[in-house]
Amino acid sequence: AQSVTQLGSHVSVSEGALVLLRCNYSSSVPPYLFWYVQYPNQGLQLLLKYTTGATLVKGINGFEAEFKKSETSFHLTKPSAHMSDAAEYFCAVSDDRGSTLGRLYFGRGTQLTVWP
Amino acid sequence: NAGVTQTPKFQVLKTGQSMTLQCAQDMNHEYMSWYRQDPGMGLRLIHYSVGAGITDQGEVPNGYNVSRSTTEDFPLRLLSAAPSQTSVYFCASITYKDRSGAFFGQGTRLTVV
Repeated sequence: AQSVTQLGSHVSVSEGALVLLRCNYSSSVPPYLFWYVQYPNQGLQLLLKYTTGATLVKGINGFEAEFKKSETSFHLTKPSAHMSDAAEYFCAVSDDRGSTLGRLYFGRGTQLTVWP
Repeated sequence: NAGVTQTPKFQVLKTGQSMTLQCAQDMNHEYMSWYRQDPGMGLRLIHYSVGAGITDQGEVPNGYNVSRSTTEDFPLRLLSAAPSQTSVYFCASITYKDRSGAFFGQGTRLTVV
């Protein structure tokens, strides 16, 4: 079965600073990887995804993530944090084989706080 | 295009009551699922369906039932509500035709007293 570990349940940065949210996964097959963002009292919105091809993927709101197979990582970054980035972020891996096709496995989430 | 619609948005139940959380999607997605979200636990899969007439259990299925009579609808039933079921519930749908990821509803915040 797949699993996802997000290092750090809370991350705080100053506005304008680099954002780095860490995600490691375990998967017995080539994974599909996702980052979702959740703003207060809302559902989850897809930020970006890796399926195949280029390992550096760009998403919405200036975020990007790099798939590193050797490190089983998919860390999320943004060069310069904005106050509006404050939210909870979830990393997920997709089971894209056989009987569990389509199933998503989520990490426990990282709450990002941005200080002015 | 409404996407995934969940109702109600908020609900308070007494212990032992039953209710149904509604989920509908208008994207003709094959796969639908229910998650619960609890602080520090991420999202945990309750039940899922790979198509009309087919359902299966996820990680935390106890106390919940589902059915999938149409492609569009995937209701979640709480049989006898317990305080441990106080949570935020999300419905999500996925298509196998591409890798666009899951589309989520806005959530139902359920409190069982």
